[in-house]
Parts: sequence; structure tokens; C-alpha cells
Amino acid sequence: QQQVKQSPQSLIVQKGGISIINCAYENTAFDYFPWYQQFPGKGPALLIAIRPDVSEKKEGRFTISFNKSAKQFSLHIMDSQPGDSATYFCAAGSAGYSTLTFGKGTMLLVSP
Amino acid sequence: NAGVTQTPKFQVLKTGQSMTLQCAQDMNHEYMSWYRQDPGMGLRLIHYSVGAGITDQGEVPNGYNVSRSTTEDFPLRLLSAAPSQTSVYFCASSKGVAKNIQYFGAGTRLSVL
Repeated sequence: QQQVKQSPQSLIVQKGGISIINCAYENTAFDYFPWYQQFPGKGPALLIAIRPDVSEKKEGRFTISFNKSAKQFSLHIMDSQPGDSATYFCAAGSAGYSTLTFGKGTMLLVSP
Repeated sequence: NAGVTQTPKFQVLKTGQSMTLQCAQDMNHEYMSWYRQDPGMGLRLIHYSVGAGITDQGEVPNGYNVSRSTTEDFPLRLLSAAPSQTSVYFCASSKGVAKNIQYFGAGTRLSVL
């Protein structure tokens, strides 16, 4: 059972454009929604995260939008740069557990 | 500032061989986890630990054993490797009320022939 569904699987965006990756979850017990960024040959690194008490969180060019009623959240990368080319994973966690449930990942390529 | 250290970085095994993937963290984190990453599958939880002496199964535990004798170390054992265990393995750790904020190692890339 896939508890966190992520789309698209891959994404090509021109430099300066907006990259948008979407995720949907099923378990209403989830209360922590991070995004991880992974470069080839490296481990995932926390990029930005949100809790359901807010609908949006922004850190620099990265924004999470959260829709609790729809059980969806998305990552927006503004002014996308070639250095943003990486695999992005959404995930979900709950207060009682240390582990995360991950989406399948999105490979982002930002063309120069 | 080592963080989460995984060894080895690469390993090739033959079917039926055993090996241990090492994971150590120097951040005094009580929570540690093992995930495997396969193309198109994301990261899937194998086993996790909430402290020394306490471990539990995740989504895909079959074929793997773990133990947690110290806070720092959380080794993952493959008793009889199978080609289906060819994957990239990541160890992660976290702490306290921020237990959901997981810090990952650089991974071990394992091929089972």
C-alpha cells in the first residue's frame, strides 16, 4: 500500500522557470511533511518541511504548499537553477514515530 | 563533524554470502533507521531502532537482521544475500522531539550476483 503518492516521476524545466512537484497522502495521522533533495551518489538531505497547522512555508526559492482537506502538499522551486537538478522526495511522518514514509521520487533536470 | 557514517560505500556479493553494513552516528541520536532505495520505488524502511537494545521491523524486513547494542551503532546484517537485495542502503538518525527530522548517511551501494 503506497501511503504517499508523488508526481511527476521526472520533470524538465528551463532555467528561471518554476518547478512543481506534487504529493498526496492517505494516512490522516501524518503530521509532518518534509521534502528531501538527493544528488547522485549522495544521501537524501532535508530541504524544507511543514506541519499541518500552516498552509504554506517558504525558504528562499523553495515553497511548500499544504492542503489538509485534500491531503495534498507540493514543492515549488522558483527561479529554478541547473544546480537544483536532483531527485526530490516527499515524505510524511507522525509524532509518535521517528520513521518516514517516502514518495517514489521526482528526478528534476533544469536545463541551462 | 562526521554525522552519519556508513561503510562500506560499495560492495559486491555472491548469492548466499553474508555481510554486515555498518552505520555509526556521533550526534548522540537515539533514533536510527535503515532504508533501501531502488529505482522508481523511493526509500523503503527496513528496520528501525528507538534506542539501544530496542529494534523493530519496517516495511521490507525480510532477509535482514539488526541489533542496537550502543547508541552510536546500528549495523544491518544480510545472512544469505539474494539478487533481490541489490540496492542502495541508507542509514538515518534523529533525536528527541525532532525525531522526524532524519539525517542520512551517504549510502552503501550493494550488488548481489
